[in-house]
Amino acid sequence: DIQMTQSPASLSASLGETVTIECLASEDIYSNLAWYQQKPGKSPQLLIYDASSLQDGVPSRFSGSESGTQYSLEINSLQSEDAATYFCQQHHDYPPTFGGGTKLELK
Amino acid sequence: EVQLVESGGGLVQPGRSLKLSCAASGFTYSNYVMAWVRQAPTKGLEWVASISTGGGNTYYRDSVKGRFTISRDNAKNTLYLQIDSLRSEDTATYYCAKAVDQSIYNNPLFDYWGQGVMVTVSS
Repeated sequence: DIQMTQSPASLSASLGETVTIECLASEDIYSNLAWYQQKPGKSPQLLIYDASSLQDGVPSRFSGSESGTQYSLEINSLQSEDAATYFCQQHHDYPPTFGGGTKLELK
Repeated sequence: EVQLVESGGGLVQPGRSLKLSCAASGFTYSNYVMAWVRQAPTKGLEWVASISTGGGNTYYRDSVKGRFTISRDNAKNTLYLQIDSLRSEDTATYYCAKAVDQSIYNNPLFDYWGQGVMVTVSS
């Protein structure tokens, strides 16, 4: 199985700041990387797929990038509604595997 | 609007069985691969199983093979997960998820998720 190592496990940031969350794949996943946002008590929402493609309806302050097997989610101009847990997922092969999650807290 | 509504969860004793259902609406259900993904309390996400559009092909994670059975009824727009020989480690919220693709063979990416149904395995 492809292992997804996500970091950091948690972070705290202020409104208006920019944060970056990273995910390292254990092998080449050919840009088949998705990011999800999950708010407490809610189901995951797809934000980004294919490493950098924005899902319909997702604000443009969310962006994704890659460098080799390292993938990043950047959130610009943090808003209060961005407080959530973020997960990466490789969608290259079965079984699809997720990172451990990053809990983003707003100061 | 895509809607996925799970049901059938609850408190179950170890070794017993349970069948989860997911009612789908707002899209052409028979055209899409469907899946179950679970999340243990305060833990991360774990893919469980996927099923092809016609139901003839299924994939499972290793730890549930032989105990879980995913199925679908395209006439009723409903997805199922039969869980047998329940174990404490199966305690989780189970999400029904719609795949982006129409082929089960590639791109296991999920664009819509249900609200989840809780399964608690305890004596």
